[in-house]
Amino acid sequence: NAGVMQNPRHLVRRRGQEARLRCSPVKGHSHVYWYRQLPEEGLKFMVYLQKENIIDESGMPKERFSAEFPKEGPSILRIQQVVRGDSAAYFCASSSSENTEAFFGQGTRLTVV
Amino acid sequence: GENVEQHPSTLSVQEGDSAVIKCTYSDSASNYFPWYKQELGKRPQLIIDIRSNVGEKKDQRIAVTLNKTAKHFSLHITETQPEDSAVYFCAASILKGGTYKYIFGTGTRLKVLA
Repeated sequence: NAGVMQNPRHLVRRRGQEARLRCSPVKGHSHVYWYRQLPEEGLKFMVYLQKENIIDESGMPKERFSAEFPKEGPSILRIQQVVRGDSAAYFCASSSSENTEAFFGQGTRLTVV
Repeated sequence: GENVEQHPSTLSVQEGDSAVIKCTYSDSASNYFPWYKQELGKRPQLIIDIRSNVGEKKDQRIAVTLNKTAKHFSLHITETQPEDSAVYFCAASILKGGTYKYIFGTGTRLKVLA
């Protein structure tokens, strides 16, 4: 599961800036999930994507947040005009198909100052 | 619904004792139930999973049981060791709009006391 790569590992942004979080899934995996984790809390579902398609974005705020998983390249979670409350660890996971093992990346720790 | 409840939130056991963590889910269509272990500052790692066509699965000191009728599943760790100390998350595949996604429980912080 070391194959899921997220970068950057740590990201510091000032309020109002944009944050871009990248996730390269395990080679051959076409399903990507993004989760948000606050300190001492659980993994909150944000969005589920397959190549070029958003399957379920019900956990993602409708404003300022967007996600994509293009045909080529990593999946991107974009947060515009960040606020202090966006500070969290953002994990992505990938799987080869539905209902199979999902492997997590090491996460991106976003700090908004 | 999209709800996975997990208990207890914290659990302390003496080294060598067993630990049991329980989860319940609400979607009767759920058919895949993984368990993850997350050490401090690290990524969640899959430790065991079970599908709805079996009632129990074991891997060395770790076992998972599933009761589909009651919609609950449990993680059992026997002969606990200090390195088992971590946060454990259960998850269930939730069917929505024809596709499955994974919804996680709120986690159990396990402390194994030497």
